[in-house]
Amino acid sequence: GENVEQHPSTLSVQEGDSAVIKCTYSDSASNYFPWYKQELGKGPQLIIDIRSNVGEKKDQRIAVTLNKTAKHFSLHITETQPEDSAVYFCAASLGTGFQKLVFGTGTRLLVSP
Amino acid sequence: SQTIHQWPATLVQPVGSPLSLECTVEGTSNPNLYWYRQAAGRGLQLLFYSVGIGQISSEVPQNLSASRPQDRQFILSSKKLLLSDSGFYLCAWIFGTDYNEQFFGPGTRLTVL
Repeated sequence: GENVEQHPSTLSVQEGDSAVIKCTYSDSASNYFPWYKQELGKGPQLIIDIRSNVGEKKDQRIAVTLNKTAKHFSLHITETQPEDSAVYFCAASLGTGFQKLVFGTGTRLLVSP
Repeated sequence: SQTIHQWPATLVQPVGSPLSLECTVEGTSNPNLYWYRQAAGRGLQLLFYSVGIGQISSEVPQNLSASRPQDRQFILSSKKLLLSDSGFYLCAWIFGTDYNEQFFGPGTRLTVL
């Protein structure tokens, strides 16, 4: 079945720096890749996603890139702010079906003022 | 707009006691519904999903069961809780067959003592 690996598990940056989180997946049929932000004690919030027919997508300070050949995708956060501190999860759709997602193990991002 | 509710927000139960967690979605019809469990500091594990009333698919063998008595209601149950059932339980929904975006509820923190 699908396996999603996420790195790093923790990431500490200074305010204003960029942060990059990387994920790899195993199922070449996966075609949907969302990223979630989870604050302490809350449910994950969808922040950006990308489909397999697109190589890059950007939304203000957040961008996601996808390399289908290498089966990896990354989240890029520029000009980080303390409120970006949270746990970030990547996910990949299972096979060609949309209905299930396999999640990475999460990255705890800490942005220091 | 759509809203997803979960209750209770927190729950402390003794080993061997029953469990009932409820999830409801407002503002949409015929959503796909999901139950996940998140262990402390871990990723999200899919437990059950449902594409319609009375239709439940189980992802992993376990001490839990799920039911969907109404279109926008999803219930997670157990007859006898185990210590290993402790965790953060998340309900999620998708608009339907032609959509990818999965949205999470606020979660229920379950502690089994």
